[in-house]
Amino acid sequence: EAGVTQFPSHSVIEKGQTVTLRCDPISGHDNLYWYRRVMGKEIKFLLHFVKESKQDESGMPNNRFLAERTGGTYSTLKVQPAELEDSGVYFCASSQVQGWNYGYTFGSGTRLTVV
Amino acid sequence: DAKTTQPNSMESNEEEPVHLPCNHSTISGTDYIHWYRQLPSQGPEYVIHGLTSNVNNRMASLAIAEDRKSSTLILHRATLRDAAVYYCIGGATNKLIFGTGTLLAVQP
Repeated sequence: EAGVTQFPSHSVIEKGQTVTLRCDPISGHDNLYWYRRVMGKEIKFLLHFVKESKQDESGMPNNRFLAERTGGTYSTLKVQPAELEDSGVYFCASSQVQGWNYGYTFGSGTRLTVV
Repeated sequence: DAKTTQPNSMESNEEEPVHLPCNHSTISGTDYIHWYRQLPSQGPEYVIHGLTSNVNNRMASLAIAEDRKSSTLILHRATLRDAAVYYCIGGATNKLIFGTGTLLAVQP
């Protein structure tokens, strides 16, 4: 089966611009998660979708970040306006069953650089 | 979520077994112990998880101490492709709490 796909793999934008990251989970996986690693820090949870509903968005850093999952398939994460501290690698993961005891499949990530 | 403690780095020789330790003394009775690894330029990859009993899969084995305050991930024969950061995660929520992990270097 195809894995979790993220694109673009790299994005370089100027401060103040808008960027949209996309994640295609494994087909049939209702649970979709976003994580990120900013420079020098650990990987941090951002939010969790169950189908099209946000189950937990406690990790979203501020209102410049907007995640959507219309139709319960792919998800987008928009950063508007981007700031320098948003630079990092953004990972998406999916799982078939809710509950982390079953393991998540991660994508390779989108490396975002804000200059 | 349980706080976990791992060594910052470890080294191994190719084709030798590797034992990666993790302390999780604050783990509760219902918290699973998960291991993920991250190879260079890739996303985290699920390795194995367990609750009380030792677990085996095609990638590794997980040995969990009887008091559950520590566990050890065992790679039976390290290969160069096993060089990665290994994360031990304890908890019972939908969020994975990543620490700094153990950077495993494998020497040929």
